[in-house]
Amino acid sequence: DTAVSQTPKYLVTQMGNDKSIKCEQNLGHDTMYWYKQDSKKFLKIMFSYNNKELIINETVPNRFSPKSPDKAHLNLHINSLELGDSAVYFCASSQDERLEAAFFGQGTRLTVV
Amino acid sequence: ILNVEQSPQSLHVQEGDSTNFTCSFPSSNFYALHWYRWETAKSPEALFVMTLNGDEKKKGRISATLNTKEGYSYLYIKGSQPEDSATYLCAHASGGSYIPTFGRGTSLIVHP
Repeated sequence: DTAVSQTPKYLVTQMGNDKSIKCEQNLGHDTMYWYKQDSKKFLKIMFSYNNKELIINETVPNRFSPKSPDKAHLNLHINSLELGDSAVYFCASSQDERLEAAFFGQGTRLTVV
Repeated sequence: ILNVEQSPQSLHVQEGDSTNFTCSFPSSNFYALHWYRWETAKSPEALFVMTLNGDEKKKGRISATLNTKEGYSYLYIKGSQPEDSATYLCAHASGGSYIPTFGRGTSLIVHP
């Protein structure tokens, strides 16, 4: 069983569209994250969410929003997609964000055309 | 400002060489330091989580040390193998931030 799974793995879409990336973890972790990998492979935190608190990286445009229907899921919604949103997005989860290492999903490559 | 720095940015070694690289981070309000291994076309996988000054962790041929007072951690690979080729990431968590901040990684290529 995959611990952290993301769907889809690849997503090609046109500018201006709204899209979602789904993430599910079966580890029973309390905290989930979304990261954006830039062109130089740098992992930049976008959101951190547990059942108590949503932490948003202030540099993330408000076109991006996390939705958590339950503890095991943290989906990423993106409105009005722009060319610059093209990147690989990683979902991750951990039991304790500081003391426990995160488990990462396989990534979603988003291409905006 | 990226306050987690990793050096070198990339490293090429021959099979059998031992190697090491550095992660530097702010020493104040330290909480934890994470190391990850990230192979091409895969997702990052955790190697170590270190919390105490002087911590040493080992996993096979890979080991890591931690100096929280001066703000650095070293990752060592003994007898590098081609399968060790990957990007090695460190992530620093402080008392003021719930979320570990990643460095840009060290890309290691081991030539047969």
